[in-house]
Amino acid sequence: QKEVEQNSGPLSVPEGAIASLNCTYSDRVSQSFFWYRQYSGKSPELIMSIYSNGDKEDGRFTAQLNKASQYVSLLIRDSQPSDSATYLCAVNMNDYKLSFGAGTTVTVRA
Amino acid sequence: DGGITQSPKYLFRKEGQNVTLSCEQNLNHDAMYWYRQDPGQGLRLIYYSQIVNDFQKGDIAEGYSVSREKKESFPLTVTSAQKNPTAFYLCASSRTTWGTGGDEQYFGPGTRLTVT
Repeated sequence: QKEVEQNSGPLSVPEGAIASLNCTYSDRVSQSFFWYRQYSGKSPELIMSIYSNGDKEDGRFTAQLNKASQYVSLLIRDSQPSDSATYLCAVNMNDYKLSFGAGTTVTVRA
Repeated sequence: DGGITQSPKYLFRKEGQNVTLSCEQNLNHDAMYWYRQDPGQGLRLIYYSQIVNDFQKGDIAEGYSVSREKKESFPLTVTSAQKNPTAFYLCASSRTTWGTGGDEQYFGPGTRLTVT
């Protein structure tokens, strides 16, 4: 079983819609959870971090964490063409190791 | 203007040659990391360093070497022993390796290495 798994995608949403990205992880002791956005040919950019159960909102982004279900998600509201990118879920499994999912590619169609 | 710089952006080498990738940060972060990304795949950890003069192997350290002589700098050498060196190499840093808020990792722009 992979340590961090994401929807394989690609995910295509119309402009203005909500894009929903899901991520599950294998290690119950994980404490830190991150979402990165990566445009084609560029490096990952941190967009959200979440450490406790529940929702965390930042602008049009909402991260949701459920440690009991080992599940973290990212919602992108009012999706814009500029949101078209690959989104990487990352989980801090240990005191140093950030494990990444393979990413979900999102395309927002105008 | 704080950040992480990597150089060069693109690097081309012949098989059998060692090559060193540069990573510098002025964020005053203690921890630094090297990842490798292959097309369609997630990031894999090569080496990490929690403090100056100390570093640890990640998941795919074979064929790579690092040094951490200064807090700001964490160069990666790709040796001829690395069987498939062509990849996108990413350097990252964080304040700490663990703890709420401290372990957020920030990435440099990356170096795209092609070995033929």
